[in-house]
Amino acid sequence: EAGVAQSPRYKIIEKRQSVAFWCNPISGHATLYWYQQILGQGPKLLIQFQNNGVVDDSQLPKDRFSAERLKGVDSTLKIQPAKLEDSAVYLCASSVIAGTGDTGELFFGEGSRLTVL
Amino acid sequence: GESVGLHLPTLSVQEGDNSIINCAYSNSASDYFIWYKQESGKGPQFIIDIRSNMDKRQGQRVTVLLNKTVKHLSLQIAATQPGDSAVYFCAENPQAGTALIFGKGTTLSVSS
Repeated sequence: EAGVAQSPRYKIIEKRQSVAFWCNPISGHATLYWYQQILGQGPKLLIQFQNNGVVDDSQLPKDRFSAERLKGVDSTLKIQPAKLEDSAVYLCASSVIAGTGDTGELFFGEGSRLTVL
Repeated sequence: GESVGLHLPTLSVQEGDNSIINCAYSNSASDYFIWYKQESGKGPQFIIDIRSNMDKRQGQRVTVLLNKTVKHLSLQIAATQPGDSAVYFCAENPQAGTALIFGKGTTLSVSS
């Protein structure tokens, strides 16, 4: 079974530039998550989708971050304009549909490492 | 602030020793907990999970203990190997259908 795919693996940009990250979840997983992981810290949720609807985006800095999952499969996370503090690894994860209300295990991709200069 | 945290940021053990990594959580309503292992440059990888109706669950070389009275979670790794060197995170699910909340992590270093 293919895992969660993310690209690019690495990106270096200057502040005020824009960047986009792509994620393709495990086939059949209806729930998709974007987490931000700053060096030395645990992952922090940015946004959770179920199919193509947003479940939770309360911690997404909406003035600069946006995410979409138009067809309920792959997803894109965009940052515009980037700030120095956005330097982090952006992790995408997916899980089986929460039909019973249980989150269950999250399967993570390898992450996209962003460096903002 | 974060609702899940770990007691020690680093733990160093000798190969063959048993390792115990601890985690305290703050949300008494959390009903599902997972331990993840993250190696350098990789995404977190599932190790073991436990639901709140259990106090112990065993896997291959790993055991998770849950003490709901003091809101404490631990991961025990038997016969620790150099390949176990990584950062370990506990995560909790505070409400059904919501995303996992992660703690800060403990870096396990295994020397041979």
